[in-house]
Amino acid sequence: DGGITQSPKYLFRKEGQNVTLSCEQNLNHDAMYWYRQDPGQGLRLIYYSQIVNDFQKGDIAEGYSVSREKKESFPLTVTSAQKNPTAFYLCASSIEGALLSTDTQYFGPGTRLTVL
Amino acid sequence: AQSVTQLGSHVSVSEGALVLLRCNYSSSVPPYLFWYVQYPNQGLQLLLKYTSAATLVKGINGFEAEFKKSETSFHLTKPSAHMSDAAEYFCAVSDRGSQGNLIFGKGTKLSVKP
Repeated sequence: DGGITQSPKYLFRKEGQNVTLSCEQNLNHDAMYWYRQDPGQGLRLIYYSQIVNDFQKGDIAEGYSVSREKKESFPLTVTSAQKNPTAFYLCASSIEGALLSTDTQYFGPGTRLTVL
Repeated sequence: AQSVTQLGSHVSVSEGALVLLRCNYSSSVPPYLFWYVQYPNQGLQLLLKYTSAATLVKGINGFEAEFKKSETSFHLTKPSAHMSDAAEYFCAVSDRGSQGNLIFGKGTKLSVKP
């Protein structure tokens, strides 16, 4: 089955630690995205990548980093510089991204990160 | 820049009643609009999208939405609510000025009473 997988589903982190959230897709999509979801605030874009080896900051990139070494993978690292990292993180992908504004974004099941 | 406003963070209806979830957008160019649904602790699933073809868009699970340019609205409706419709619903506009990224509303949580 084609789709997007995120792991782990739940993640606990101590203050001051970096953690990496995994996102993998087998849909052969060019574009991938990371969103942060907080209650009552909808989804906010952290980073996006339209093509391998290229990525752009979204609206709330501070304290996060990403890489896009392979088409199917777009891991997100939450660094110790992120002041309030407890949230639900969603990864998404779309066929062509910027080239087609009508693209549907397909979402993974999410990772819930809690800082202890 | 584009933006989306969803009126009502919580909506409660009885099973069998009409569902109406409101979405208004702001856009300087003809928008592309989307409705997504999210069940608890899950990702988002596309319900329907408007891409400047027919103004009345039919989606999955019996939902539909009508694009009204004069009202800058894209409200989501379903004639008869089912218990399984209880979820959070997000309206989004494609930010055509910024590489097609989606701008989401803050969501409306739908409760369905038996």
